[in-house]
Amino acid sequence: DVKVTQSSRYLVKRTGEKVFLECVQDMDHENMFWYRQDPGLGLRLIYFSYDVKMKEKGDIPEGYSVSREKKERFSLILESASTNQTSMYLCASREGPSTHFGNGTRLTVT
Amino acid sequence: QKEVEQDPGPLSVPEGAIVSLNCTYSNSAFQYFMWYRQYSRKGPELLMYTYSSGNKEDGRFTAQVDKSSKYISLFIRDSQPSDSATYLCAMRHDDYKLSFGAGTTVTVRA
Repeated sequence: DVKVTQSSRYLVKRTGEKVFLECVQDMDHENMFWYRQDPGLGLRLIYFSYDVKMKEKGDIPEGYSVSREKKERFSLILESASTNQTSMYLCASREGPSTHFGNGTRLTVT
Repeated sequence: QKEVEQDPGPLSVPEGAIVSLNCTYSNSAFQYFMWYRQYSRKGPELLMYTYSSGNKEDGRFTAQVDKSSKYISLFIRDSQPSDSATYLCAMRHDDYKLSFGAGTTVTVRA
């Protein structure tokens, strides 16, 4: 079974802090994704990566950056956290038709 | 207008009933259609995957795609309390970006 592991289940950060969300997958997948999930809005793509050191903006990249130094690891960075970035963050990896998700990090920015 | 619209629910049905879930979409380029199930405090897991139009059956689950109407459906027969979850439709036209519906929360009453 594919395993996508997100390092934290819950995080509470203050406005203006730099926040790192880490994600690791164990299936050597090329493609990795960061989504945020908000009630009534579904999942929205923030960034994705199709190879090491490669990244592409998704639909809502503003206020975020990403890093992919190794194939198995994809990090999401909030440069200066704001309250409107309070959300559930989901990491995913994909090869072929199946996209596999981690269990999410619920981030609260106060 | 959102690219993918999903009936918001919530939906509450008695055990054994048929659950019917629907999504409409506006982008005629979508070729790959998926249904995900998400339990509380978990990431989405892939239930069904369909390429182009047609029906696909897997046990108690049937997925239908009508590209001419830009409409997809998921049917759950003989529903069980363990089917209580949020169901997300998703679709894509290229190698990377999935577009999601907002999700429908289903409760199956014992």
